[in-house]
Amino acid sequence: SQKIEQNSEALNIQEGKTATLTCNYTNYSPAYLQWYRQDPGRGPVFLLLIRENEKEKRKERLKVTFDTTLKQSLFHITASQPADSATYLCALVTDSSYKLIFGSGTRLLVRP
Amino acid sequence: NAGVMQNPRHLVRRRGQEARLRCSPMKGHSHVYWYRQLPEEGLKFMVYLQKENIIDESGMPKERFSAEFPKEGPSILRIQQVVRGDSAAYFCASSPSLLRGVEFDTEAFFGQGTRLTVV
Repeated sequence: SQKIEQNSEALNIQEGKTATLTCNYTNYSPAYLQWYRQDPGRGPVFLLLIRENEKEKRKERLKVTFDTTLKQSLFHITASQPADSATYLCALVTDSSYKLIFGSGTRLLVRP
Repeated sequence: NAGVMQNPRHLVRRRGQEARLRCSPMKGHSHVYWYRQLPEEGLKFMVYLQKENIIDESGMPKERFSAEFPKEGPSILRIQQVVRGDSAAYFCASSPSLLRGVEFDTEAFFGQGTRLTVV
C-alpha cells in the first residue's frame, strides 16, 4: 500500500541545535516533495519544495534533502530557536495526480 | 492580496443537521483543494476543484458530502446529516495553477480552517 511516514513522536531539542525531521514514502513516485509548517489552530504554511532531480535545497536556516533511492526526505533546521516549535508536514505530488498527499507530521519542540 | 479565507472558523452542529463550509481562494487562484484533519493527524485529501469542475473527489465520502466551486463566489463544502465522526478541522487551499505544472511547480496556500464540532 502507499504510505508517507513521518516520526509520530515529538522531537525535543535544545535551542541552538540542529533539528532533523524524516519523511519516508512507500509505493509512490513523487515528482517533488514539499515541506509545510503548521502551528496549533492554524493552517499549514509552505516552507520548501524539492524536485526529484534535486539532491538538496536551502533557504536561510532550512535545508531539505531528497534521496529517491532511499525514498526519503530529510528536513533540517540549523541553529534552532524556540519560535521554530511547531508541527512540520511533508507532502508529495506525483506526475499522475494533481493534489498534495501529506504525511502525519512531526511535532518539534525547541527548549530555550 | 488577502490570503485564503475560510468561514466560519468554528461551527457547531447537532447530529442530523447540515454543515456548510466556505472557502474564498486567493485572488487569481482557480484551483481549490479541501482537506480534513483529525487531532494529532495529518491532512487527508478530500476533493480538488477547478472553477466549476470537480477534478478529483477520490477522498470525499460518496454519501452526505458534496463540494462545489461556482463561477462566482466561494467554494462550498457541504456535509448533510452530520454525525459525530464528522467532527474535525477542514482546511481549504488554493493555487494559481496546477501543483505539477508543465513549466513550473507551485505550492498550495492554506486557509486557517473551519473547526466543525458535531454534538
